[in-house]
Amino acid sequence: DIVMTQSPDSLAVSLGERATINCKSSQSVLYSSNNKNYLAWYQQKPGQPPKLLIYWAATRESGVPDRFSGSGSGTDFTLTITSLQADDVAVYYCHQYHSSPSTFGQGTKVEIK
Amino acid sequence: EVYLVESGGGLVQPGRSLRLSCTASGFTFNNYAVNWVRQAPGKGPEWVGFIRSKTYGGATEYAASVKDRFTISKDDSESVAYLQLNSLKTEDTAVYYCTRGLTSPLVGYFDYWGQGTLVTVSS
Repeated sequence: DIVMTQSPDSLAVSLGERATINCKSSQSVLYSSNNKNYLAWYQQKPGQPPKLLIYWAATRESGVPDRFSGSGSGTDFTLTITSLQADDVAVYYCHQYHSSPSTFGQGTKVEIK
Repeated sequence: EVYLVESGGGLVQPGRSLRLSCTASGFTFNNYAVNWVRQAPGKGPEWVGFIRSKTYGGATEYAASVKDRFTISKDDSESVAYLQLNSLKTEDTAVYYCTRGLTSPLVGYFDYWGQGTLVTVSS
């Protein structure tokens, strides 16, 4: 199984500042045949299901604010929230869909400092 | 508007069975795979399994933790997917979500989620 490890487990960021979440996979999630990274990011608020933010590592889902961006390739990925808003307080998960079983990171909790 | 609505959760004793339903609307259900994802209290999501569309034979895949105990099926005529849970264990306690997959044979990413249904396994 591909193990997804996120860092940090939690972070506190001031409003308007940048938040950076890292995700490392135990194996590459890049398919060389199509040069796509099979990596998604989700945001989850209490009592709600996860919400898709980013797929193919860097493609923003429709309706997601452009302060959210994804980057990385192979085994190392980053979710960046530029100019953190109060509404961004949540837990964020990375998710690989390269290989079965599909697996998630353990989550990163983002709070306001 | 895409909607996924789960039902069928509840309190069940260890070793017993339960069937969850996921009723879909707002998209062409038969074109898409359906995944089930669960989340134990205070934990991250865990992929349970998925069923491909008929285009890809309706084949299923499961996580090792539920293989041979859980079964996913799909009724395209009713736009409903099912998750049959047998031989339940206390560690199966979780909120179970159905999610829309892709129109491809891959597990894919999950762009739409239901609100979830809670399954509690306890004596």
